[in-house]
Amino acid sequence: SAVISQKPSRDICQRGTSLTIQCQVDSQVTMMFWYRQQPGQSLTLIATANQGSEATYESGFVIDKFPISRPNLTFSTLTVSNMSPEDSSIYLCSVDRTEAFFGQGTRLTVV
Amino acid sequence: QKEVEQNSGPLSVPEGAIASLNCTYSDRGSQSFFWYRQYSGKSPELIMSIYSNGDKEDGRFTAQLNKASQYVSLLIRDSQPSDSATYLCAVNTRNAGGTSYGKLTFGQGTILTVHP
Repeated sequence: SAVISQKPSRDICQRGTSLTIQCQVDSQVTMMFWYRQQPGQSLTLIATANQGSEATYESGFVIDKFPISRPNLTFSTLTVSNMSPEDSSIYLCSVDRTEAFFGQGTRLTVV
Repeated sequence: QKEVEQNSGPLSVPEGAIASLNCTYSDRGSQSFFWYRQYSGKSPELIMSIYSNGDKEDGRFTAQLNKASQYVSLLIRDSQPSDSATYLCAVNTRNAGGTSYGKLTFGQGTILTVHP
């Protein structure tokens, strides 16, 4: 397993602003993943973050809206930019050690 | 057609009964299959993984995989009220070298309620 720490755990933000979510893993991992879980919905993969290269985004997600950094093998950030109420979701960081483990998530409310 | 589809819920079973959760997937290249449990307001917790056809048992949980039918299930024996949660089926594909693509596709989840 892996210990994954995410922060903030929750936030309430004004529309039009941006929020950066941090994800720290207790050991080095090649890939880190960012998911979104909208209210009452399942999880959807936003992007895959590899150290030293650009993140790979899934269909429907773009870098301008969800810029990702991966400065080293234990850390990544996801920024939710120019937020609107539709961005209110839980954002989850995940790592893959043959099996995917999740951080505790960031519950974002945009007002 | 959804890539990963779970049996519609919510599912309600009495305490002590067997809860059966089902999942079908569309990508025949899928090689890894997972069941996550998610309590309200919490992040998903991995409870079972299965990679080859057949059954895999872990305590009260049994995962069953049938790749020919593109079907994976989770049985919970002796269900307890603490098992009440949303259960998520997830599927990913690994390359030939065994390195995970890391891309999980989730079903929509099945809400399970175990009543005393």
